[in-house]
Amino acid sequence: DIVLTQSPGTLSLSPGERATLSCRASQSVASSFLAWYQQRPGQPPRLLIYGASSRATGIPDRFSGSGSGTDFTLTISRLEPEDFALYFCQQYGTSPRTFGQGTRLEIK
Amino acid sequence: QVQLQESGPGLVKPSGTLSLTCTVSGDSISSSNWWSWVRQPPGKGLEWIGEVFHTGDTNYNPSLMSRVSLSVDKSKNEFSLKMTSLTAADTAVYYCARTSNLMPTGYEYWGQGTLVTVSS
Repeated sequence: DIVLTQSPGTLSLSPGERATLSCRASQSVASSFLAWYQQRPGQPPRLLIYGASSRATGIPDRFSGSGSGTDFTLTISRLEPEDFALYFCQQYGTSPRTFGQGTRLEIK
Repeated sequence: QVQLQESGPGLVKPSGTLSLTCTVSGDSISSSNWWSWVRQPPGKGLEWIGEVFHTGDTNYNPSLMSRVSLSVDKSKNEFSLKMTSLTAADTAVYYCARTSNLMPTGYEYWGQGTLVTVSS
C-alpha cells in the first residue's frame, strides 16, 4: 500500500495569510493521480485538486496544487474564513486508494 | 446533477453484518465510473473500503477484504456494501462516492454519509 503522510498535523494561520500543506508518499504516485479534499464539520469531503495540480469544477483560484513523484503541496494563497477546515490528500493511481491522515487548518 | 444517497441501519450489534446501499441519481450505474465506499471513524481520518464497476469487477482494501463484499444492482441504479463480523472499531460515517474510469479525477461526487454505530 502507498502510505501518505501529511504535514503539519495542525496549521494555525490568520485570514489573508498563505497556507502551505504537504503530502509525502511512501512510493511514487502513478501518473500524478493525487487529489486534495477539503472537509468541513458534518460534511462529506469536497474535491479541490486532482491530477496533483488541476482544480476541480467551481474551486476558487486561490487553491493550487503542485508536485510529482512522492512530494505534493496544496497552497491556499490568501486564506478566507471559510477555508479553515480539514484537508486530506489521496492517491488514486494504485489500489488500495489511500488517504493521508489529514491537516487541520485553524484560525490563529 | 449527480447525487448519491446512502441508506441502511444506524445501529448494528457486535459480530453482526452491516448492509448499506447507495442510490445513484443523475447518472447511470452502468456508466464508466467506479462506485466506491469510504468510511470515517468519529474524529478521525478517511479510510478507503473498496470500489465496484458495473461489470461486477471489484477492488478492496486488503485490510478489510476478508469481511467486505460490494455489488451493483443495475435495475435499481444502486450499489451496495456488505460487511461482516463487525466490532466497535467499525463505528464510522460511511460514505459512497464516484470516480471516473475514463478520466480519473479522484472523488468528485459523494453522498452525505450515514453514521453506523456498532454497539449492543
